[in-house]
Amino acid sequence: QLVLTQSPSASASLGASVKLTCTLSSGHNNYAIAWHQQQPEKGPRYLMKLNSDGSHNRGDGIPDRFSGSSSGAERYLTISSLQSEDEADYYCQTWGTGIQVFGGGTKLTVL
Amino acid sequence: QVQLVQSGAEVKKPGASVKVSCKASGYTFTSNYMHWVRQAPGQGLEWMGIINPTGDSTRSAQKFQGRVAMTRDTSTSTVYMELSSLRSDDTALYYCASVKGHDGWYYFDYWGQGTLVTVSS
Repeated sequence: QLVLTQSPSASASLGASVKLTCTLSSGHNNYAIAWHQQQPEKGPRYLMKLNSDGSHNRGDGIPDRFSGSSSGAERYLTISSLQSEDEADYYCQTWGTGIQVFGGGTKLTVL
Repeated sequence: QVQLVQSGAEVKKPGASVKVSCKASGYTFTSNYMHWVRQAPGQGLEWMGIINPTGDSTRSAQKFQGRVAMTRDTSTSTVYMELSSLRSDDTALYYCASVKGHDGWYYFDYWGQGTLVTVSS
C-alpha cells in the first residue's frame, strides 16, 4: 500500500535552515513526490516535484531557498534562510494510476 | 498567470447536496485534468476524485463513490463538484487542483483558493 509519512511538527530559527522529511512506504523507493506549502488560512501551493534521484523542478515563482533531495525511501525539503512567511504546513504528495496520496503534513514553526 | 477561482462558502443541512465550482484561467482548459481534494477542520488533505479534460470520464475515491459527481463546462472553463447526502463530517474546505498530462495521475501544479462547506442542522 502506497503511504507517505511525515513528522507532525518541526521548528527552526529565523534565518536558519530546516530539512523536512517525507517517507515512502516499503517497496515504493522509486516514486517521485511533490511538496506543497499551505500558509495559515490559505490554500495549498505547489513548491516542487522531487524525483527519486534528487532532481527537482520548482513551481512558478518558488525561490531557490526551497530545495529537494532524496535518499532511498526518504524525500526531503530543505528551506534555507528561513523567513517568517515560511511558517506553514508542508504536505508531500505522490500518485499512481487511480490513486493520489498525501502525507499527514508537517507544521513548521519559525522561531 | 494560471488561476483557479472557486465559488463562495456554503451552509447546508444534513441530507442536502452542495455544488462547488472552480473556474480556470491562464491556461488551455482542455489540456488539464482537474481533481478535488478536501480538508476537514484541523486535518490533512484527502483526495476525492478526478475529471478528465473533456469531461466524459470521472473517477472518485472509494469513500465517495455514489455521493460525488464531477462535471465540466468547457465553454466557461469551469469544473463542478457536487456532493450529496451531506453529513456533519463533510464539513470541510474543498479545493480543486489541476494536473497537466500523464492521464491526470501526476502532481498538482495549481490549486484553487478553497470553498468552505459547513453542514449543520
